[in-house]
Amino acid sequence: DAKTTQPNSMESNEEEPVHLPCNHSTISGTDYIHWYRQLPSQGPEYVIHGLTSNVNNRMASLAIAEDRKSSTLILHRATLRDAAVYYCSRTGANNLFFGTGTRLTVIP
Amino acid sequence: DAGVIQSPRHEVTEMGQEVTLRCKPISGHNSLFWYRQTMMRGLELLIYFNNNVPIDDSGMPEDRFSAKMPNASFSTLKIQPSEPRDSAVYFCASRTSGSGVQYFGPGTRLLVL
Repeated sequence: DAKTTQPNSMESNEEEPVHLPCNHSTISGTDYIHWYRQLPSQGPEYVIHGLTSNVNNRMASLAIAEDRKSSTLILHRATLRDAAVYYCSRTGANNLFFGTGTRLTVIP
Repeated sequence: DAGVIQSPRHEVTEMGQEVTLRCKPISGHNSLFWYRQTMMRGLELLIYFNNNVPIDDSGMPEDRFSAKMPNASFSTLKIQPSEPRDSAVYFCASRTSGSGVQYFGPGTRLLVL
């Protein structure tokens, strides 16, 4: 979805926090924000989602801007296994619009 | 739970041949999605079913593509005739009607020669 934009790539040192940004300026009031990640040769895997409030789970945290036009996925301590392509998406009633994804490289 | 199951995992065929991709969603999920992923275009939604009924097929590239869901536990995506530009990884995903979280299968890697 061209209206969901993410940086093409980011790097992080192992054990450091990572903040992956996403802009979804055309999000509607009922759209959820989902984050997925895709490891090599696998299908996308759910990471976290939210609507308005910040969210935490065992994998990551999601910070949602007050106007909901942007969000940030936070990996608190990057590990080598977190190296993947991270997709931000907005989910409407019947579908899911993926962004182009951010390739995260974790440096040992 | 076995997750979303797709078959075959890999398919190599010649241009003009018919290709059928299969998907078994997670039991209890009432929505099913077919996606195509290429380097050039990323992840594209092809078609979406809700309770076995096609809801949105606007992403289906052309008439050569068709999808069916005869029951809640099975769906097919057919390409006839196939062309080299159809080479891609095709993913199936399913979800319940709650939060919208989709669960993806491992994908079918299709190569049309």
